[in-house]
Amino acid sequence: EAGVTQSPTHLIKTRGQQATLRCSPISGHTSVYWYQQALGLGLQFLLWYDEGEERNRGNFPPRFSGRQFPNYSSELNVNALELEDSALYLCASRGGVGYGYTFGSGTRLTVV
Amino acid sequence: GQQLNQSPQSMFIQEGEDVSMNCTSSSIFNTWLWYKQDPGEGPVLLIALYKAGELTSNGRLTAQFGITRKDSFLNISASIPSDVGIYFCAALTDSWGKLQFGAGTQVVVTP
Repeated sequence: EAGVTQSPTHLIKTRGQQATLRCSPISGHTSVYWYQQALGLGLQFLLWYDEGEERNRGNFPPRFSGRQFPNYSSELNVNALELEDSALYLCASRGGVGYGYTFGSGTRLTVV
Repeated sequence: GQQLNQSPQSMFIQEGEDVSMNCTSSSIFNTWLWYKQDPGEGPVLLIALYKAGELTSNGRLTAQFGITRKDSFLNISASIPSDVGIYFCAALTDSWGKLQFGAGTQVVVTP
């Protein structure tokens, strides 16, 4: 069974640009979660999608948005990039109640 | 908001020693999870706990869900070099909600 896959692995953008990050959950998982992990810090919850709907959002500005497609894959968009947006962005999916969250390897976003 | 206080922040131990870390909170949780993260990788689930008082082992790892539902601990016995990494506790208040993470414990194992 393929795990959670994220693309690209690395992304370098200039301040003010937009970044798009992609995530494919484990087959059969309908929930996708996005987390930001800045260097040396813990994981901060960004967004949760389930069945195509945004279910919850963390304490991040509206520049951070996303969507979930009918095949349950997801996209995270960050507009008007700022230097402090540089971080590892992790996506996780979950199979159901009673199951742990499975994380992808992340996208390393660097804003210069 | 709900905050998980994870300690210690870092540990430097010799190979063969046991490791203990814990997470506490002022909030009650229904699920506690322990993850390990290697550099440049996503966290990998080690142990999941779903009932207060539950004690679960996975090889040399043992974790417990505190009886008050406000804390959890993780033990690693007879540490080996590949135990190096950052260990995170995580918890859920409801079945489908977001995971709340602790700040992590950096474990360094010396020969």
